[in-house]
Amino acid sequence: QKEVEQNSGPLSVPEGAIASLNCTYSDRGSQSFFWYRQYSGKSPELIMSIYSNGDKEDGRFTAQLNKASQYVSLLIRDSQPSDSATYLCAGAIYGGATNKLIFGTGTLLAVQP
Amino acid sequence: IAGITQAPTSQILAAGRRMTLRCTQDMRHNAMYWYRQDLGLGLRLIHYSNTAGTTGKGEVPDGYSVSRANTDDFPLTLASAVPSQTSVYFCASSDRGAGGYNEQFFGPGTRLTVL
Repeated sequence: QKEVEQNSGPLSVPEGAIASLNCTYSDRGSQSFFWYRQYSGKSPELIMSIYSNGDKEDGRFTAQLNKASQYVSLLIRDSQPSDSATYLCAGAIYGGATNKLIFGTGTLLAVQP
Repeated sequence: IAGITQAPTSQILAAGRRMTLRCTQDMRHNAMYWYRQDLGLGLRLIHYSNTAGTTGKGEVPDGYSVSRANTDDFPLTLASAVPSQTSVYFCASSDRGAGGYNEQFFGPGTRLTVL
């Protein structure tokens, strides 16, 4: 079983709408979570980090973490066509030989003009 | 400009050949990582280095080796390439290797095709 699960999509939303991207994880030892945006043919770009339960807002992005439900989400308000990309969720496990990031396979977001 | 550079951008390689992918960062980050990204499998860790002079194996290390002679450089070597190593390879770095928060930043990637 993949330790970080994401719906592969595509998730299609109209321009100006809220896009909701979801991620679940199986390892309760995961302590921090990250959202990366990856445009086609490009490298992952870190857009949000969240370390504790609750919401964290940065501009049009809000990350939500619920450790009891093992659930992470990313909300994108006022979605723009330039937000069309694959969004990768990653969970971090600390305490081993290295700080390990486990990535989901990503959700493709398509924002329709 | 601070960041991570990788070379080459892309490469077509005959099976059995040796290949070194280069990665250099100028952010003075302690930790560096090599990932491969394959369709449907996501990003998988190949090798890592928490600090200069140390390296460790990730999830898929077989067929790959790394070295970390200094803080800035972290080359990945394929001793004898096989077609299953066809992939996109990303180098990443973070301020800490262990024991703390771990925001990782990625280089532009190398697209490798092994025929």
